Amino acid sequence: ETGVTQSPTHLIKTRGQQVTLRCSSQSGHNTVSWYQQALGQGPQFIFQYYREEENGRGNFPPRFSGLQFPNYSSELNVNALELDDSALYLCAVRTGAYEQYFGPGTRLTVT
Amino acid sequence: QKEVEQDPGPLSVPEGAIVSLNCTYSNSAFQYFMWYRQYSRKGPELLMYTYSSGNKEDGRFTAQVDKSSKYISLFIRDSQPSDSATYLCAMSEAAGNKLTFGGGTRVLVKP
Repeated sequence: ETGVTQSPTHLIKTRGQQVTLRCSSQSGHNTVSWYQQALGQGPQFIFQYYREEENGRGNFPPRFSGLQFPNYSSELNVNALELDDSALYLCAVRTGAYEQYFGPGTRLTVT
Repeated sequence: QKEVEQDPGPLSVPEGAIVSLNCTYSNSAFQYFMWYRQYSRKGPELLMYTYSSGNKEDGRFTAQVDKSSKYISLFIRDSQPSDSATYLCAMSEAAGNKLTFGGGTRVLVKP
């Protein structure tokens, strides 16, 4: 049991605003990835953090940024929100050789 | 063309039948292959993971990878209504790194 938690569960923002999403795991795994999942699609990789350093980035603009803290919890920040940013945001922690376990997600609606 | 292709379904089967799911991919560098199950409005749940080509069995689930054909499969035996969900294939080039997902196949198991 990885105990990956994400907060908040859901939120509604207005176009142009900024949002911060949070992720943590019970066991403090040192590799965390963030994904965006639009309705009816598979998750898309945003970026990955390993021991507080960004360790790979997908095809997302710089207004998507992140942080990983010494306890390995993580934040995803999105600036200048656009309508297309409405999606389920998922974090995943690496628990073994290559397994990645996902949290329940944060559903973001931009109006 | 997407790197990973997956039939969106829905795939409807009677309870007790075998569910057959598959994905094709174009990136020959993929070496790690995973199947996730996702219930509506929840995070993906890791079902199976395999490295390179071959078969792997776990309870009612069997995963197959054919790298020469760039084709992976998941079989679910003795399907139950609780297996009704969206099934996502995912793959990566390196262990624990960026996952590239298919779009998911929606499965309905009818009692």
